[in-house]
Parts: sequence; structure tokens; C-alpha cells
Amino acid sequence: DAGVIQSPRHEVTEMGQEVTLRCKPISGHNSLFWYRQTMMRGLELLIYFNNNVPIDDSGMPEDRFSAKMPNASFSTLKIQPSEPRDSAVYFCASSPVPGGDTDTQYFGPGTRLTVL
Amino acid sequence: RKEVEQDPGPFNVPEGATVAFNCTYSNSASQSFFWYRQDCRKEPKLLMSVYSSGNEDGRFTAQLNRASQYISLLIRDSKLSDSATYLCVVPSAHSGAGSYQLTFGKGTKLSVIP
Repeated sequence: DAGVIQSPRHEVTEMGQEVTLRCKPISGHNSLFWYRQTMMRGLELLIYFNNNVPIDDSGMPEDRFSAKMPNASFSTLKIQPSEPRDSAVYFCASSPVPGGDTDTQYFGPGTRLTVL
Repeated sequence: RKEVEQDPGPFNVPEGATVAFNCTYSNSASQSFFWYRQDCRKEPKLLMSVYSSGNEDGRFTAQLNRASQYISLLIRDSKLSDSATYLCVVPSAHSGAGSYQLTFGKGTKLSVIP
């Protein structure tokens, strides 16, 4: 079975450009999570969806960040305009069932973003 | 107290050694806990779940002390392949939505030396 798929794996862009990160969760999983990881702050939850509906976006840093999940098999995280401080590894994760504190989250390989 | 706090390390231990990592958490309502492992430049992967007082899986033992809000991970007979960062993870309920999100510690880095 394919795991969580993310694209691109690496992105280098210039400040001010729009960046779109993509995620395909594991088929049948109902929850999807976007995280950002930096050395300074560790792994931070940005937003998560249950059954394609955003549940909590309090971790989204500011209005430059937006996320969508138009269907059960696809989600995007967009940064517009991008800034150097957005440089990080962005992970997408999915889990089988909404709710349930025992549910494992399965992570994608991440997108390494560098904003110059 | 921070939501999830870990000693960042690094822990440098020889092969065969026993090493223990500690984690404290602030949400006293949490019922289950996880240890994830993250290799360099890779994604986190679930290592162990802890639902009651503890859990053992081969060389790995996780223990939970609810009174002290403290979780530990013990690795016996360390292998070179155990070198990684170990993340302590605590679920927190999202009020009103009946769903949970995970809060990750910053991780403890382990290097097992030949």
C-alpha cells in the first residue's frame, strides 16, 4: 500500500513567490494533518481536517498560509507570499478515524522548503 | 509547564548500553501517549503506544506515571540502528469536535557509538 504522498519533495523559491504543497493521504483515512518542523520550534501542527472539514487552524502562522481539502484524497497548503522565515520541512500526516486518541498518525516524507 | 517537554540530548552511548529518555506533559486529561522515532531527514514514525502504566516491545519499554505526568522510554542493548531522534507525543482533545490532535515534544537525539 502506498503511504502518504507529498509533492514536491524539495522546493526552493524566492521571497514573495507563491508556494503550493500537495498531499495525498492514505486511502480510507479520514483525518489529515499539516505540520511544520524547524530546529528551533520542533514539529508544530498547522491545521487538521476531519472528513475534509477543517477542525482547527489555530496553528496557521498568519494569513499568508491557507489550506484546503477539496476531497478525501487530496489537500494543499499554500503560502502566499512566501518569506525566508517560512523555510522548514512541511509534513502531511493522515490517520484512519476522526477522533480517538489512540489513532496512529502516518507521516508523508515531507517537503523541504527553502525561501531565499 | 510546557505542553510536552523533553531533554534534547544528545545522548551518546556505546553499543550495548541501556539508555532512558524522559518526558513531562502538562495535560492531565490525556489518556494515551506515544513515542515516535525520527531518523535524520526522514518523517516521524510510531515506535510505541502507552495506554496504561506501561508497554514493552522487545528491547524497548515505555512507562507512564500519571501522578507525576511523566513518561519514559528505556532502550536496552542499544544498537547502531537505534540512532535517531525520539519524540514524545501527547494527544489533546479538541473541545467541541470530539477529535484529537497530537502535541509533539522537540525530541531527544540518540547516537549509538560503535
